[in-house]
Amino acid sequence: EVQLVESGGGLVQPGGSLRLSCAASGFTFSSSHMNWVRQAPGKGLEWVSYIGSSNNIYYADSVKGRFTISRDNAKNSLYLQMNSLRAEDTAVYYCAGDRDWAFNIWGQGTVLTVSS
Amino acid sequence: QSALTQPASVSGSPGQSITISCTGTSSDVGSSNRVSWYQQHPGKAPKLMIYEDTKRPSGVSNRFSGSKSGNTASLTISGLQAEDEADYFCCSFAGTFTWVFGGGTKLTVL
Repeated sequence: EVQLVESGGGLVQPGGSLRLSCAASGFTFSSSHMNWVRQAPGKGLEWVSYIGSSNNIYYADSVKGRFTISRDNAKNSLYLQMNSLRAEDTAVYYCAGDRDWAFNIWGQGTVLTVSS
Repeated sequence: QSALTQPASVSGSPGQSITISCTGTSSDVGSSNRVSWYQQHPGKAPKLMIYEDTKRPSGVSNRFSGSKSGNTASLTISGLQAEDEADYFCCSFAGTFTWVFGGGTKLTVL
């Protein structure tokens, strides 16, 4: 079964840091393009970051310089290191695989709350 | 990038057809065949319904169809069913491995 399972969410103070993880199974992770997509409470979806199978990396302007995406193909895992967190980063964070320019595999999401 | 524009809500009765529009620019929606649509039920992860403007993934009902004209993409759901009630989001590849989503449309089945 194709599956993505996120973990690492929680409550963080403004200015703090957190690392999200996403464990993949049921497909060839190393050859897959992966992304983080977030959804603020009651709001729409927002693409956050992309890492290709060849490790090319891109970020949304809203997180550039603060977030770092990475992957460990040996562990079939995707990561998002988040620094200098702000209240507006509060959201459900989904990892998602993309193919044919669309997000065809989604995890169940992990919740990040940035609040003092 | 600015979010794509979708109506906040649409509604229809069982058996009817509805269409949700998604308007972008020549830099995203209008630039290539890379618009996708997602269905999201409350508390659940999004599900891919349409990709590359008009294609349906395996397992998605043929009641769902996508189209595009210029800078506006559309999702049509025919033969509305109660389980179609959900939020729907459009998304477009916006160049250089970046994507932009629409604000979402809440579909109510009356």
